[in-house]
Amino acid sequence: EPEVTQTPSHQVTQMGQEVILRCVPISNHLYFYWYRQILGQKVEFLVSFYNNEISEKSEIFDDQFSVERPDGSNFTLKIRSTKLEDSAMYFCASKSGTSGNIQYFGAGTRLSVL
Amino acid sequence: QQQVKQSPQSLIVQKGGIPIINCAYENTAFDYFPWYQQFPGKGPALLIAIRPDVSEKKEGRFTISFNKSAKQFSLHIMDSQPGDSATYFCAASSKASGTYKYIFGTGTRLKVLA
Repeated sequence: EPEVTQTPSHQVTQMGQEVILRCVPISNHLYFYWYRQILGQKVEFLVSFYNNEISEKSEIFDDQFSVERPDGSNFTLKIRSTKLEDSAMYFCASKSGTSGNIQYFGAGTRLSVL
Repeated sequence: QQQVKQSPQSLIVQKGGIPIINCAYENTAFDYFPWYQQFPGKGPALLIAIRPDVSEKKEGRFTISFNKSAKQFSLHIMDSQPGDSATYFCAASSKASGTYKYIFGTGTRLKVLA
């Protein structure tokens, strides 16, 4: 069964460093998302990406965040200068153009900012 | 208006019991209501979903009840098993948003005792 894969599973970084979280969505999907889950809290929407551009972003997704789909298969989330409060689980999700609203989630990347 | 309220926060039932998790929403533009199951360290996995044109949907031991006028929906797990112990999230999305982003509830931690 096709799945969304995310790497790395755990990323530890120092405050102020840049991190790139990587995702390989399901191959024929057209909509891509990043969500964040702070430990013990709900999953929160960060950004959606369609047709090679951001279609919507939340207030969490400030200038420190960016997304890219550099090669038609990978989908990355970059945090330019990490803060302690960026520590969370980051989930990538993808959706086809035809399956309605169903989103498929990766296993997540746990980001720890020290 | 974009919130989805979920209750209870945690739930403990005996094996064979029927846990019920409730969610409520305000935004009448929501037209897709999925439930996701999340095990520790894993990404959310789609369990079952419903659209507002039906009042109930069953898939195996999982049933969603939907009350459009009250803007509420709930998940029932029949004959619950210890393997059902997980965190359950309700969510809502809207095709009208163009992005199909999910708004998640705060999650319910379910423990099924053997």
